[in-house]
Amino acid sequence: SQKIEQNSEALNIQEGKTATLTCNYTNYSPAYLQWYRQDPGRGPVFLLLIRENEKEKRKERLKVTFDTTLKQSLFHITASQPADSATYLCALHNNAGNMLTFGGGTRLMVKP
Amino acid sequence: ETGVTQSPTHLIKTRGQQVTLRCSSQSGHNTVSWYQQALGQGPQFIFQYYREEENGRGNFPPRFSGLQFPNYSSELNVNALELDDSALYLCASSLVQRQGAHEQFFGPGTRLTVL
Repeated sequence: SQKIEQNSEALNIQEGKTATLTCNYTNYSPAYLQWYRQDPGRGPVFLLLIRENEKEKRKERLKVTFDTTLKQSLFHITASQPADSATYLCALHNNAGNMLTFGGGTRLMVKP
Repeated sequence: ETGVTQSPTHLIKTRGQQVTLRCSSQSGHNTVSWYQQALGQGPQFIFQYYREEENGRGNFPPRFSGLQFPNYSSELNVNALELDDSALYLCASSLVQRQGAHEQFFGPGTRLTVL
């Protein structure tokens, strides 16, 4: 069955360091992959979308890579700040774009 | 703020009852999706509506049903509530102009508790 795995353990890093979050998937051939941020008690907020033919995408301090051979996406936050503390969710689109499947999310804690 | 609103914010029901949750999409958006998010887990896709027609469905039983109205507002109805239906229900709207992925704008969610 299709599976999307994100590290369920919280990631604790020091302010100023680079945070790297991992999203692995199996039995899936997504055409697109998205990353969202979710704060407690709120809905997810869209961050980045990357297509299967793109290797890397950047937006300000954020960088996403997408390796369809390894079936893995890496999400990087450079020069992390305490305000970056949140849960980060990866989500895969089917080819029709009408179904988005989310991973369980990884909680990031950035300490000052 | 995304411009997507949901009501009510919180709701408590008992097993066997029926519930209707409401969502108002962001202005100009033509697609709405509903998700169920259990505590500590990622959102699970329930279904999507595009131009008032169901356009995709996740692994949820028929007692989960929906509607999308001409003004692109939407409802999620759940019949015969079960304890496991307790969760945060999220709606997300997007503007779909052609096939492919589109960023989704989420509302704050409705917290449903089934006793």
